[in-house]
This record gives sequence, structure tokens and C-alpha cells, in this order.
Amino acid sequence: SQQGEEDPQALSIQEGENATMNCSYKTSINNLQWYRQNSGRGLVHLILIRSNEREKHSGRLRVTLDTSKKSSSLLITASRAADTASYFCATDAGGQAGTALIFGKGTTLSVSS
Amino acid sequence: GAVVSQHPSRVICKSGTSVKIECRSLDFQATTMFWYRQFPKQSLMLMATSNEGSKATYEQGVEKDKFLINHASLTLSTLTVTSAHPEDSSFYICSARVRQGGTDTGELFFGEGSRLTVL
Repeated sequence: SQQGEEDPQALSIQEGENATMNCSYKTSINNLQWYRQNSGRGLVHLILIRSNEREKHSGRLRVTLDTSKKSSSLLITASRAADTASYFCATDAGGQAGTALIFGKGTTLSVSS
Repeated sequence: GAVVSQHPSRVICKSGTSVKIECRSLDFQATTMFWYRQFPKQSLMLMATSNEGSKATYEQGVEKDKFLINHASLTLSTLTVTSAHPEDSSFYICSARVRQGGTDTGELFFGEGSRLTVL
């Protein structure tokens, strides 16, 4: 079953612009993670934010978490063509640590130069 | 980061045959691995949780007799698609949790995926 919903489903921007993707989830969580997937490839872990954190940064990535709204956002600043990929949020299944991750539907980001 | 190796990356088979996909943790021991399936332009759907030395736990709607999972060692889990049909054509991805110092970091590392095409 799908845990999260991302929006937008697809996003097209120019190099240098910022890209914001949102994710909503349904159950309580221990943490929320964002992954990136290039076409036809495996997933690359980007960032993990714990349920007691509200914001986290990693390079050009900024993630926020609002547990009261059960939502998270991923901001990529100063985007590059190489950022073109699909981005997924994921949470522990049923909020239980040590279980599988349940993924949202993903946002397909296209950055043109 | 931890490395998960998946093999083969691509496989084409005839309808009715069985295909085995291997997932190995190269530099760590994985007591639990997860198998996902991804159809084109869709998200990853959890198929089953593979536990070393015990039976896999399958998600609702996933046929355990069709998708055989074996986790015989701490570094290897295999998924066998039995009597494959064209509708089984998909991208299969395995993943494993990493424990550091006895603590589950919560992070999953993923294999590169195996694209199965059933003719």
C-alpha cells in the first residue's frame, strides 16, 4: 500500500531555479526519508529527518517535517541538469522502526539547461 | 555507504520459465532484506520482507508460491519468479537495513535493480 502522496507529480524547471516537492503521509512515523532515482536505476538515499526534527539541511537540499500536518517538503536549491530524476519520500511501515519503507508516488523533476 | 549488489541487472525470459534474482550485501551483514517491485513510471511497492534463516513475510496480494524468497545467509537473499508471465515484467529492487554498533540507523540501501522482461 502507498503511504505517502507527493506533489507535484511532475515538475519542470530551468537550471539555477529552486525545486520544491511535497509529501504527505498517513500514519505516525519514526522518521521520514527522501530518495532519488535516476531512470531505470536503484535508489539513492538523500536525507533522513526524524520525527522530533523540523528541518534538516544537506548541501543544496533542505527538508522540513510537520508532524501535525503529516507532511514534508524537499527543497533543492540552485538546481542543475544532473538533478533530473524522480524523488520519493518514504516512511517506516506503520511507524514501526526496523520495518520496510513505504514509498510515496514520487515527483519527477526535469531540469533543463 | 553500505553497498547492496543485485544480479542480474537485466533478464529476458520466455513465458513459463523461472528467473532467480540475487541480492547481496557486500560490506555488511543484513539480517533483513526487502524486495520491491516497480512498474514503469510508478513508485516502489513492497513485495516481501526477507529474514535470514526464516520464512519471508509477504505483503497482501503478493503470491508467495510465485515469488519465492530465500535468505540463507546474512549477505544473500534471492527472489525467484516462478512460471513467469508477461505481467510479471517489472523492475525488481532489493534493499537492506544497516545496523551500526547494534543500532538500526533507519536508512535503507538499495541494489541497482533487476529489470525482468517476460516474452
